[in-house]
Amino acid sequence: GESVGLHLPTLSVQEGDNSIINCAYSNSASDYFIWYKQESGKGPQFIIDIRSNMDKRQGQRVTVLLNKTVKHLSLQIAATQPGDSAVYFCAESYILTGGGNKLTFGTGTQLKVEL
Amino acid sequence: EPEVTQTPSHQVTQMGQEVILRCVPISNHLYFYWYRQILGQKVEFLVSFYNNEISEKSEIFDDQFSVERPDGSNFTLKIRSTKLEDSAMYFCASTGGMTDTQYFGPGTRLTVL
Repeated sequence: GESVGLHLPTLSVQEGDNSIINCAYSNSASDYFIWYKQESGKGPQFIIDIRSNMDKRQGQRVTVLLNKTVKHLSLQIAATQPGDSAVYFCAESYILTGGGNKLTFGTGTQLKVEL
Repeated sequence: EPEVTQTPSHQVTQMGQEVILRCVPISNHLYFYWYRQILGQKVEFLVSFYNNEISEKSEIFDDQFSVERPDGSNFTLKIRSTKLEDSAMYFCASTGGMTDTQYFGPGTRLTVL
């Protein structure tokens, strides 16, 4: 069946280092992928997205890479800061015939930034 | 910056009771969603709503669940007879366009005793 999963449940990095969070997906028909950040007790917060016709997209301190050949998605955070500590989810978007799109989330990676 | 809001932030109820979770989506958005997240688990899709109709629902969204947009601003999720396993965070989300990014509210923590 379709699934979106994360390779590492916990990632610890030193402040100032770069972080890389990975995600595997199984539905090759997906055309839109999103990274969300979730802090404790809060809702998922949009970070960056990428469409399947791209292989890289950059934002402020974040870069998403998409490798469709191996169905792999990654989130790179440059110069990781304590405020980046959170759980990061990748999500796969499916367009619904009745309208809108449905997100299928991965299990999440806990990013811990050490001072 | 516009945002999705949800009330209450925490709802405690007895098993078998009805609960209504409320959401105010971003004002010009047209597509509305509910998701839930059991503690320590991933976020799961429940239902999508567009043009006053459910456009998709998951197997979790059984006959005990219903959604409504009673006016131009609110979007509600009702659980008719709550079960212990309904305890979770419930998130509302909305988008302006069909393929646009979904923006999430802060969630309502539902505790069923």
